[in-house]
Amino acid sequence: SQTIHQWPATLVQPVGSPLSLECTVEGTSNPNLYWYRQAAGRGLQLLFYSVGIGQISSEVPQNLSASRPQDRQFILSSKKLLLSDSGFYLCAGGGALGTGELFFGEGSRLTVL
Amino acid sequence: DAKTTQPPSMDCAEGRAANLPCNHSTISGNEYVYWYRQIHSQGPQYIIHGLKNNETNEMASLIITEDRKSSTLILPHATLRDTAVYYCIVLYNQGGKLIFGQGTELSVKP
Repeated sequence: SQTIHQWPATLVQPVGSPLSLECTVEGTSNPNLYWYRQAAGRGLQLLFYSVGIGQISSEVPQNLSASRPQDRQFILSSKKLLLSDSGFYLCAGGGALGTGELFFGEGSRLTVL
Repeated sequence: DAKTTQPPSMDCAEGRAANLPCNHSTISGNEYVYWYRQIHSQGPQYIIHGLKNNETNEMASLIITEDRKSSTLILPHATLRDTAVYYCIVLYNQGGKLIFGQGTELSVKP
């Protein structure tokens, strides 16, 4: 079965510092991969998605970027964090378009101070 | 924009069936309907998905209307542990985008 590993689980960073959240996938190849953010309460905002290596689509203009250097690796980054980047970040992956279960990591809670 | 509409909150008595509705009036023929739930501060958990036929698994049943413009997730015997936010998602064929709506916060009460 597919599993998503995401780390770190918790991160406290000062404003202006860089960020790197990493996500890896096991149990499948060529998954679609997603980064979401949950700022407060519920509501998952799609940040980036990728249908293959080096293919990144950005959903909202922001201070963040994403990269997919390998088929099963998805990285969320920032050069300089803002207070508004605080939130709960989730990596998700799925199989072929329109089919299959979607798998989520356990999330990374980022607090920017 | 999310392509699904759900009520923001619902209550259900423990042991009774919870019926969570979702509208997806712009769904196209090859798009699936997925249901997930999220317990506070955890990653979403897959529940069930379907295309046009009704589906049932050990967790829930999914009823999709014949025109596919709406669906209902049914938890047959809700327990306190079913208290969570439930998301109805339409998985697009084009571009791989997976968009969540605001979900329904289900509170199961004793």
